Amino acid sequence: EDQVTQSPEALRLQEGESSSLNCSYTVSGLRGLFWYRQDPGKGPEFLFTLYSAGEEKEKERLKATLTKKESFLHITAPKPEDSATYLCAVQARVNTGFQKLVFGTGTRLLVSP
Amino acid sequence: NAGVTQTPKFQVLKTGQSMTLQCAQDMNHNSMYWYRQDPGMGLRLIYYSASEGTTDKGEVPNGYNVSRLNKREFSLRLESAAPSQTSVYFCASRDRASRPEAFFGQGTRLTVV
Repeated sequence: EDQVTQSPEALRLQEGESSSLNCSYTVSGLRGLFWYRQDPGKGPEFLFTLYSAGEEKEKERLKATLTKKESFLHITAPKPEDSATYLCAVQARVNTGFQKLVFGTGTRLLVSP
Repeated sequence: NAGVTQTPKFQVLKTGQSMTLQCAQDMNHNSMYWYRQDPGMGLRLIYYSASEGTTDKGEVPNGYNVSRLNKREFSLRLESAAPSQTSVYFCASRDRASRPEAFFGQGTRLTVV
C-alpha cells in the first residue's frame, strides 16, 4: 500500500535556527514527490516537485532533496513568515492507469521571532 | 488569476440534509479532484475526474456523488449529510500533460450537526 509518513508532527524554531523536515514514503513506482505549504484556513500551495533520487530544488530559504526512500525539506535561517504546515505527497499509479496523489499528515512549523 | 474557486467557504448542515459543493477552475486543466482533510488523517481523495465526461471513486467515496459539469466545473454532492462528513473539503485541478502538480482551492469548511 502506498504510504507517506512525515516527521516531526510539529516543530518550533527560533528565527534563524535552521532545521529539516522529513518525508518517508513507500510507493509502487514513484512518479513524483511534491512539497506543499498550507497556511491556516487556506488550501495547499505548491512548492516543489522531485522525480529522482539525488535531485534537489531550492526556493528562497527552502531546499528539497530526494533519496530512494525519503525526502527532506531543509529550512535555512527561517523567518516567522515561514510558519505553516508543510505537506509531502507522492504520485502513485492506480490500477486504471490514473495517477493519484497520496499525502502525508504534514509538519506544523512555528518560527518565533 | 482566480485559479480554483470553491463555494461556499463555510457551511453548517443538519444531519440528513443535502448540499452541493461547487468548484470551478479557469486554468483549462483536464483533471479535477475532491479531497477531504481531517486532523491527523491528511488529505484523502474522495472522487476524481481525469477528463471532462469521466469520474471515478477515490479512497473515501461513500456518502458522496460528483458531477463533472464541463471542463471548468466539478461539483461534490452530499445526499444525506452525516456528522462523520464534518471536514474541510478541497477541490484541486491539474494539467497532466504540462505540469504534474495540482492546484488547490481555498477549501469549504463543513460542519454537520
